[in-house]
Amino acid sequence: SAVISQKPSRDICQRGTSLTIQCQVDSQVTMMFWYRQQPGQSLTLIATANQGSEATYESGFVIDKFPISRPNLTFSTLTVSNMSPEDSSIYLCSVEKGQGYTEAFFGQGTRLTVV
Amino acid sequence: DAKTTQPNSMESNEEEPVHLPCNHSTISGTDYIHWYRQLPSQGPEYVIHGLTSNVNNRMASLAIAEDRKSSTLILHRATLRDAAVYYCILRRNYGGSQGNLIFGKGTKLSVKP
Repeated sequence: SAVISQKPSRDICQRGTSLTIQCQVDSQVTMMFWYRQQPGQSLTLIATANQGSEATYESGFVIDKFPISRPNLTFSTLTVSNMSPEDSSIYLCSVEKGQGYTEAFFGQGTRLTVV
Repeated sequence: DAKTTQPNSMESNEEEPVHLPCNHSTISGTDYIHWYRQLPSQGPEYVIHGLTSNVNNRMASLAIAEDRKSSTLILHRATLRDAAVYYCILRRNYGGSQGNLIFGKGTKLSVKP
């Protein structure tokens, strides 16, 4: 298994500012993912973050808005830049250990409210 | 990615079996069927997955139709803790690596005491 710690667990931010969300895993993992879950909705994949390479963004998400870092095999950050109320969501980190492991593990999420 | 269709919501009584259906008529030969669930205020958690044969684990059973165009997640005795949104997801296998997890709307399961 993998235990994921996300910080902060929640925050209220002013529009126009940026927030960086941290994702720490208790073991080395190959693949890390960032999801967004808007109120009452399902999860939407933002990007895949692999160590040593640029993050791969899904359609509708861009690096300038959601820059991602992946400095090592246990840590990643997602920044939500120049926030607007439409960015109010839960942001979740997910990890997979690599080939042969079919299970994904999720953090508890960061609940972001933009006012 | 191939799509799945699930009922928006289902209800069950505590300690009774629950059968959660999923239709995936456009499934391809390399798609695995995964189930995750999301308890209130938590991130999703893995439940079970399969390819062609029925699968059992400590949490649930997965029954896969012979033509693979549908599957059913079975909770043998529902508890209050099983109240969650259940997601059926097709995950493509690319020669050992997996496609991304793409979540649909899922089925919200309510369990009555």
